[in-house]
Amino acid sequence: AQSVTQLGSHVSVSEGALVLLRCNYSSSVPPYLFWYVQYPNQGLQLLLKYTSAATLVKGINGFEAEFKKSETSFHLTKPSAHMRDAAEYFCAVSPGATGANSKLTFGKGITLSVRP
Amino acid sequence: GAGVSQSPSNKVTEKGKDVELRCDPISGHTALYWYRQRLGQGLEFLIYFQGNSAPDKSGLPSDRFSAERTGESVSTLTIQRTQQEDSAVYLCASRPLAGGSGEQFFGPGTRLTVL
Repeated sequence: AQSVTQLGSHVSVSEGALVLLRCNYSSSVPPYLFWYVQYPNQGLQLLLKYTSAATLVKGINGFEAEFKKSETSFHLTKPSAHMRDAAEYFCAVSPGATGANSKLTFGKGITLSVRP
Repeated sequence: GAGVSQSPSNKVTEKGKDVELRCDPISGHTALYWYRQRLGQGLEFLIYFQGNSAPDKSGLPSDRFSAERTGESVSTLTIQRTQQEDSAVYLCASRPLAGGSGEQFFGPGTRLTVL
């Protein structure tokens, strides 16, 4: 069984400040990990993914995440927040990339607000 | 190119009515997923189709929920005798079979409101 924990439901930062969104996972097998972003009234868009290659993963829009097996974490960061980063962010895990193992288990999501 | 499309974008129905939600995956994507997003919650997996294999229905919450997919084309999610707790955004995603990155491409969703 797999699970994802995203602590807190809302994070607020000032424009230009560091963004840190936390994600911890539970998985009985080496996981595939994903961060998705959902802008208002839009579908989910993939920010980045970890698929057992480099542990530091760079994604779109300046976001990156680091896979830490010892901490079962996959926290999302961005050095400098922009107003356009305001959205809801979901961390997800799957046991594999193909077949029934590819279905995603999502966290509850975190809403990021960016103050001018 | 065209992404995943879903229709209708919004659906308001009365308790007890049946509803059908449609998903058009990206052309050539053999895998198709349905998820449900209830207010304040993450996405919950409902059902998974891959080609002509038997679907994985392990996430369907009750026998009022069913889904069909013909080959690698359109999928329809049907909810019979809708209840207020069925109110949610229903999201469809597709993925190419080839390639091992596991990325799923999501549609914009159908917002279902059961009165």
